[in-house]
Amino acid sequence: DAGVIQSPRHEVTEMGQEVTLRCKPISGHNSLFWYRQTMMRGLELLIYFNNNVPIDDSGMPEDRFSAKMPNASFSTLKIQPSEPRDSAVYFCASSMDFQRGSPLHFGNGTRLTVT
Amino acid sequence: AQKVTQAQTEISVVEKEDVTLDCVYETRDTTYYLFWYKQPPSGELVFLIRRNSFDEQNEISGRYSWNFQKSTSSFNFTITASQVVDSAVYFCALSEGLNAGKSTFGDGTTLTVKP
Repeated sequence: DAGVIQSPRHEVTEMGQEVTLRCKPISGHNSLFWYRQTMMRGLELLIYFNNNVPIDDSGMPEDRFSAKMPNASFSTLKIQPSEPRDSAVYFCASSMDFQRGSPLHFGNGTRLTVT
Repeated sequence: AQKVTQAQTEISVVEKEDVTLDCVYETRDTTYYLFWYKQPPSGELVFLIRRNSFDEQNEISGRYSWNFQKSTSSFNFTITASQVVDSAVYFCALSEGLNAGKSTFGDGTTLTVKP
């Protein structure tokens, strides 16, 4: 399997612009997670889906952030409007059966820079 | 509430030395899962090992070994005969059985192995 695929790898945008990050999980995995990593806050769980349904979005910073999973093979994380403090590395991860302790398989991340 | 503490922020060793990375966790659940992940300088996050709360057996995989002790709420990771390629940030993570999707990561330990 190709692993979790994220795009783009790098994104540089100006404050106020809309940013969309994309993720393709590993086929057969039923859980998908979006994490954000910064030096100040470490790894933060933003939201996770189980069988395409959002289960917990309490980590989403504010209404500017939204995530969707229209089908089992695709998810997006959107920031609108973006702000400089959103600059971070955003990771997508999938898991076969996280409720039973299956590990997370991470994508390579998207490094977002908002100027 | 679940919590993971990696007290060692940075460790530096010389190649071939043994090194132990500490992880202490807090949870009220009797069912939980513990993980170690590696993040090399290239940035991706790689799963290393998983343990569930009912399995206190230590594990060895090549130069890597893990010591899980429920009595001290610790899940320590030892690298024997370290190599330069072991240089990375290592994260310990915990997920609780009732809400296993919402895992908590420690702040990570940056290991530098010098030649």
